[in-house]
Amino acid sequence: EAGVVQSPRYKIIEKKQPVAFWCNPISGHNTLYWYLQNLGQGPELLIRYENEEAVDDSQLPKDRFSAERLKGVDSTLKIQPAELGDSAVYLCASSLSLAGQQETQYFGPGTRLLVL
Amino acid sequence: GDSVTQMEGPVTLSEEAFLTINCTYTATGYPSLFWYVQYPGEGLQLLLKATKADDKGSNKGFEATYRKETTSFHLEKGSVQVSDSAVYFCALSGGSNYKLTFGKGTLLTVNP
Repeated sequence: EAGVVQSPRYKIIEKKQPVAFWCNPISGHNTLYWYLQNLGQGPELLIRYENEEAVDDSQLPKDRFSAERLKGVDSTLKIQPAELGDSAVYLCASSLSLAGQQETQYFGPGTRLLVL
Repeated sequence: GDSVTQMEGPVTLSEEAFLTINCTYTATGYPSLFWYVQYPGEGLQLLLKATKADDKGSNKGFEATYRKETTSFHLEKGSVQVSDSAVYFCALSGGSNYKLTFGKGTLLTVNP
């Protein structure tokens, strides 16, 4: 079974430029997460989708960050414009969530972003 | 809010040494507890989990027991190998939002 796929793996951009990250979850997983991992820290949730709906985006900086999950499968996370402080690893995870049941989250390899 | 505190690293051991990485948590209700491992250049992989008090999670020689009375979930391995070198994250998931709350991670280096 294929795992969570993310691309690109690495991205270097200049500040004020836009950038987008793509995630393909494990087949059949209805819940998708985007996490931000700063150097030396644990991941922090940015947004959670159940199917197409963003059910928790309270930690997403909406002035510059946006996300979408069309058709409830693949997802894209965008930053526009990027700032120096956005340099981090962006992780995507997916799980099969059933009513009242917490299922294991499986993570992709992440996209390492460097903003110059 | 929920939080996880884990032992700060880095931790350096010789091969076959005993490993303990401490993890304590603060949460409302009854969270599920996890250890994830991140090998260099890779994403996080679930190592083990426990969903209720006194459960013991185990995998690849690693073990952790969910201790509600001490709000702890310490990771142990009796004999580490060079291939265990990685960053280990303790995490919890509680409530209806399924969000994982992570500790800061502990870097383990095992020397031959």
